Amino acid sequence: GAVVSQHPSRVICKSGTSVKIECRSLDFQATTMFWYRQFPKKSLMLMATSNEGSKATYEQGVEKDKFLINHASLTLSTLTVTSAHPEDSSFYICSAPGSGTWETQYFGPGTRLLVL
Amino acid sequence: AQSVSQHNHHVILSEAASLELGCNYSYGGTVNLFWYVQYPGQHLQLLLKYFSGDPLVKGIKGFEAEFIKSKFSFNLRKPSVQWSDTAEYFCAVNAGNDMRFGAGTRLTVKP
Repeated sequence: GAVVSQHPSRVICKSGTSVKIECRSLDFQATTMFWYRQFPKKSLMLMATSNEGSKATYEQGVEKDKFLINHASLTLSTLTVTSAHPEDSSFYICSAPGSGTWETQYFGPGTRLLVL
Repeated sequence: AQSVSQHNHHVILSEAASLELGCNYSYGGTVNLFWYVQYPGQHLQLLLKYFSGDPLVKGIKGFEAEFIKSKFSFNLRKPSVQWSDTAEYFCAVNAGNDMRFGAGTRLTVKP
């Protein structure tokens, strides 16, 4: 079946630095990808919708200058956490609808970010 | 904006007990409904989905869910749980290009 990968799986960085997380659809093209943040004991929070060839759509309350999203190709979307702070520590998950439809949503394994 | 509510935050059952996890959504238009499961240390996997047709949907591992349009509900059920069902369960609703998840329900099955 379709697979979505994320890299890195976990990252530790110093406060003030930037971290880039990659999301790749391995055997299908994804014009749309989604970025979520998962808080402990809480739901997945949709952060933004990444659109290939155009600007990302951010959810209310998500700082677009802090969480930069670039959908560089039909198989790659990146999320860059700029000037990271300890409160940005979280689990970030991406997903993509398979075959361009909502029949199946494929999720990446997630990236654990720890900002010291 | 649409929202998804899962009323049970943590459910603890003994093996062979029956399970029902509630899911309600607030959206008046046409929606697609999903249940996902996240086993410890693993990423989200699709359990079942409803797009149209028979409102009683059967998924993997013996799970089923019933879409009741009048109640805006899509509850997940399993007649007899197993220890291996211990996981976090998420209800999700898709409308157009939007997808929202519930807060999740942690299921602990005692052997």
